[in-house]
Amino acid sequence: GQQLNQSPQSMFIQEGEDVSMNCTSSSIFNTWLWYKQDPGEGPVLLIALYKAGELTSNGRLTAQFGITRKDSFLNISASIPSDVGIYFCAGHGSGNTGKLIFGQGTTLQVKP
Amino acid sequence: GAVVSQHPSRVICKSGTSVKIECRSLDFQATTMFWYRQFPKKSLMLMATSNEGSKATYEQGVEKDKFLINHASLTLSTLTVTSAHPEDSSFYICVSGGDTQYFGPGTRLTVL
Repeated sequence: GQQLNQSPQSMFIQEGEDVSMNCTSSSIFNTWLWYKQDPGEGPVLLIALYKAGELTSNGRLTAQFGITRKDSFLNISASIPSDVGIYFCAGHGSGNTGKLIFGQGTTLQVKP
Repeated sequence: GAVVSQHPSRVICKSGTSVKIECRSLDFQATTMFWYRQFPKKSLMLMATSNEGSKATYEQGVEKDKFLINHASLTLSTLTVTSAHPEDSSFYICVSGGDTQYFGPGTRLTVL
């Protein structure tokens, strides 16, 4: 089945630094979504991308839907301690079943 | 905005017992609900797709007799973990289908 490869697996950065993470797939995805999950909570949607090449920002977060439709990245600028959490990419693959396929997650830790 | 609730948020049970998790859409109707499970520090894995008024569709490797799904109304889907064992301990999340997908807050199941 379709899979998403997310990297890096974890990051430990200093407050104020920029962060970049990405997801790739061997097959085309119709949408790309980026979520953040805090411990013990369900994922919360950060950014949704629907068209190849689309670049969307949400505050300090920026994400892009790759031209090939097989990749996406998420950037966080000027990180702050509350950015700590696990970030997941997810997407709707072919077949329009509505199923979301998730990447493995990137654990972000920010040192004040 | 739309909200999906889950009950209970946490449950601890003895091995061999059954546990029912409820997922409700609070201000909209959800004809489709997706059930995911998440192991600690792992990604979300789709278990099954719940469809109102019809049988659920299970992903490969998921035992349908162990994870009973019922979608009796447009606002309620339930997941019952039957004869639970410690390896069933996990975080279970429901997600509504549709153009915009809403996540439930999750249910933490611990089987002793």
